[in-house]
Amino acid sequence: QKEVEQDPGPLSVPEGAIVSLNCTYSNSAFQYFMWYRQYSRKGPELLMYTYSSGNKEDGRFTAQVDKSSKYISLFIRDSQPSDSATYLCAMSLTGTASKLTFGTGTRLQVTL
Amino acid sequence: GAGVSQTPSNKVTEKGKYVELRCDPISGHTALYWYRQSLGQGPEFLIYFQGTGAADDSGLPNDRFFAVRPEGSVSTLKIQRTERGDSAVYLCASRGGDTEAFFGQGTRLTVV
Repeated sequence: QKEVEQDPGPLSVPEGAIVSLNCTYSNSAFQYFMWYRQYSRKGPELLMYTYSSGNKEDGRFTAQVDKSSKYISLFIRDSQPSDSATYLCAMSLTGTASKLTFGTGTRLQVTL
Repeated sequence: GAGVSQTPSNKVTEKGKYVELRCDPISGHTALYWYRQSLGQGPEFLIYFQGTGAADDSGLPNDRFFAVRPEGSVSTLKIQRTERGDSAVYLCASRGGDTEAFFGQGTRLTVV
């Protein structure tokens, strides 16, 4: 079993829909949680960064962390065709001597 | 520029040859990571540097892979006796303490 599990999709939604992307993890020591967006043939681009549990909002994006359930989510409101990409969750332990562990990524397609 | 720079962007090499991939991190970032990403997969951790030393090299798949960061800034990933299975996108990221990790665009390595 992988440390971080993520449904690979693809997930197809109409423009304007609310999108929910999720990851589960097994290591309760993870403290930092990130969501990256990756367009085809590009490097991952950081979208959201949260520490420990709670919610964080940035424009149309909301990140939620539930450490008790080992479950994190990214919500995208009013989805746009430009949101079509692969979304990767990543997490790390506390401290600077810690690697990022990624999910496999969920491919999202927002249709007109 | 202010981002993570990776060169070359594409590299085609013959099986058995030696290759070097370069990463120029964000100025002042002490942490530097190398990841490998195969098609349809999330980035897979290879090695992490804190300053000049490799803090965690547990992800290097075998002794054909080696990385250096002699002055705590630029890093080079070296692959000896390349195999077709080494074909992937090699990603570099840098991080300034317990903050976000930023990725470069990657080097697409193809071994023929």
